[in-house]
Amino acid sequence: EAGVAQSPRYKIIEKRQSVAFWCNPISGHATLYWYQQILGQGPKLLIQFQNNGVVDDSQLPKDRFSAERLKGVDSTLKIQPAKLEDSAVYLCASSLVGTGLSIYEQYFGPGTRLTVT
Amino acid sequence: AQKITQTQPGMFVQEKEAVTLDCTYDTSDQSYGLFWYKQPSSGEMIFLIYQGSYDEQNATEGRYSLNFQKARKSANLVISASQLGDSAMYFCAMWPGSSNTGKLIFGQGTTLQVKP
Repeated sequence: EAGVAQSPRYKIIEKRQSVAFWCNPISGHATLYWYQQILGQGPKLLIQFQNNGVVDDSQLPKDRFSAERLKGVDSTLKIQPAKLEDSAVYLCASSLVGTGLSIYEQYFGPGTRLTVT
Repeated sequence: AQKITQTQPGMFVQEKEAVTLDCTYDTSDQSYGLFWYKQPSSGEMIFLIYQGSYDEQNATEGRYSLNFQKARKSANLVISASQLGDSAMYFCAMWPGSSNTGKLIFGQGTTLQVKP
């Protein structure tokens, strides 16, 4: 079974530029998550999709971050404009469903390491 | 407030020995789930073990076991017979039962280094 795919793996941009990350979840997984992991910290959920609807985006900085999941499969996360504090690893994860005990089957991708200079 | 605390930034263990990684949690929910993930230098989070708040027995998965002490609100990970490949960052996480989403709350992590 193929895992969660993410691209690019690394990205370096200057502040005020825009950037987009792509995620392809495990086939058949209805729920997709984007996490932000700042160096030395645990991941923090930015947004959760159930199919192509948003379940939780309470910690997404909506003035600069946006995410979409068209057709309930792939997803993109965009930052515009980027700030220095956005330097982090952005992890995508997916699971069959998004609530209850089944969330322990939350599979993570390799992440995209973003450096904002 | 829902919170996970990992007080050990870094740990060393000799190969083939056992090691315990500490995790305490704070929640007012009666139903919740506790997880441990491993994050090697490659970056992806690898699920290791899960403990439900109503599970009476401690969870075990191969060399991993979770020492669940509900009254103390602790969920320590025990790795037996450490291997060099166990060197990684380890995260404790919680799913609050009151949540209607899949949001996991992570601790700060513990870096484990296994010495040959």
